[in-house]
Amino acid sequence: GENVEQHPSTLSVQEGDSAVIKCTYSDSASNYFPWYKQELGKGPQLIIDIRSNVGEKKDQRIAVTLNKTAKHFSLHITETQPEDSAVYFCALHTGTASKLTFGTGTRLQVTL
Amino acid sequence: DAGVIQSPRHEVTEMGQEVTLRCKPISGHDYLFWYRQTMMRGLELLIYFNNNVPIDDSGMPEDRFSAKMPNASFSTLKIQPSEPRDSAVYFCASSGTAKSNTGELFFGEGSRLTVL
Repeated sequence: GENVEQHPSTLSVQEGDSAVIKCTYSDSASNYFPWYKQELGKGPQLIIDIRSNVGEKKDQRIAVTLNKTAKHFSLHITETQPEDSAVYFCALHTGTASKLTFGTGTRLQVTL
Repeated sequence: DAGVIQSPRHEVTEMGQEVTLRCKPISGHDYLFWYRQTMMRGLELLIYFNNNVPIDDSGMPEDRFSAKMPNASFSTLKIQPSEPRDSAVYFCASSGTAKSNTGELFFGEGSRLTVL
């Protein structure tokens, strides 16, 4: 089945700095790569996604890049703010299957 | 829309007791998923339904776990008998409509289960 590795598991950055989280996968048939943010006591929420026919997508301070050859995709958060502190999960979706497989999560802490 | 609604938010029970978690998906969504979240194993897919039919239950840990979706607006996840290792946060999520499925999952706020 699908396998996705996520790094780092924890990340601490100062407010205003950038944060990068990376995920690698093994199934070349994977075609949809979303990122979810989970705040304390809540369920994960989609923040950005990318499909396999696109290399990069940006939405204000967040961006996702995809390298299909190397089988990795990354989340980039620029100008980090305290409200960016949360757990971030990458996920992937393969073929016609409707289920998502999630990475192990990255706990991001933005310090003042 | 009210979003995905789960109940109870918190449940504390003793080993051996039956636990029933409930979920109301977003109206019109065709897919419903049950995930379990623990520190050790992260977010694991237990089972998912399409149009009320179970499609993939390969993630259900063992026969003590069962899930049903009697209609489009309600699903249950039952654990009988419960064990301490079942302690986790259980999330329900829904996605997709008949006309458009972007793949986005909409999660409820979870049911935190503690089995003593």
